[in-house]
Amino acid sequence: QVLLQESGPGLVKPSQTLSLTCTVSGDSISSSNFSWSWIRQHPGKGLEWIGYIYSRGNTFYNPSLKSRVSMSVDSSRNQFSLRLTSVTAADTAVYYCARGYGNTYSPTFDSWGQGTLVTVSS
Amino acid sequence: QSALTQPASVSGSPGQSITISCTGTSSDVGGYKYVSWYQQHPGRAPKLLIYDVSNRPSGVSNRFSGSQSGNTASLTISGLQAEDEADYYCSSYRSSGTFWVFGGGTKLTVL
Repeated sequence: QVLLQESGPGLVKPSQTLSLTCTVSGDSISSSNFSWSWIRQHPGKGLEWIGYIYSRGNTFYNPSLKSRVSMSVDSSRNQFSLRLTSVTAADTAVYYCARGYGNTYSPTFDSWGQGTLVTVSS
Repeated sequence: QSALTQPASVSGSPGQSITISCTGTSSDVGGYKYVSWYQQHPGRAPKLLIYDVSNRPSGVSNRFSGSQSGNTASLTISGLQAEDEADYYCSSYRSSGTFWVFGGGTKLTVL
């Protein structure tokens, strides 16, 4: 059974960079052909897909966030990470990491982290 | 870019069946067989219920089923139970722009 766990600061100041890491256990990022995504949920709102990365380093970002987002993989630690620059209060949300299963175009997230709340405030 | 359109809320009594719709366009729901459904209880991460329109992962109750007609996908829950009370989200591949897009979510109340 694959488990995902997000970690990172819960409070980020406006204009700074949000950095989160997702640690994967029960599966090897480098040996699998899954995609690894970040998804966020603003308080009381719906889900927003941020982007994905494959272990080979291929990425695709939501165009609405593309100018501020980057993702990376650390196969030696079985982790993948999210960086979101120039944050504002509008980036306050619960951030989830999730595994993408199956077809490249299928939004099939079969395993999720528990989520971590990131608040942007001075 | 806009999210897929879901009703804000639906309700039903225990034992009944309900259907939640998810309306998009020919660039997403209507153009591809790539629609997933998720259940989210308060304070919890979403859980995959249906993928690729109508496929159920192992371990998901067969009370949950998915279908698609034109630009609208649907999730049907039969034999409603109290524990089905949750938020439900659809998701689809979108060929223009976003790549993966979610619906706005539907709150299911079991009366």
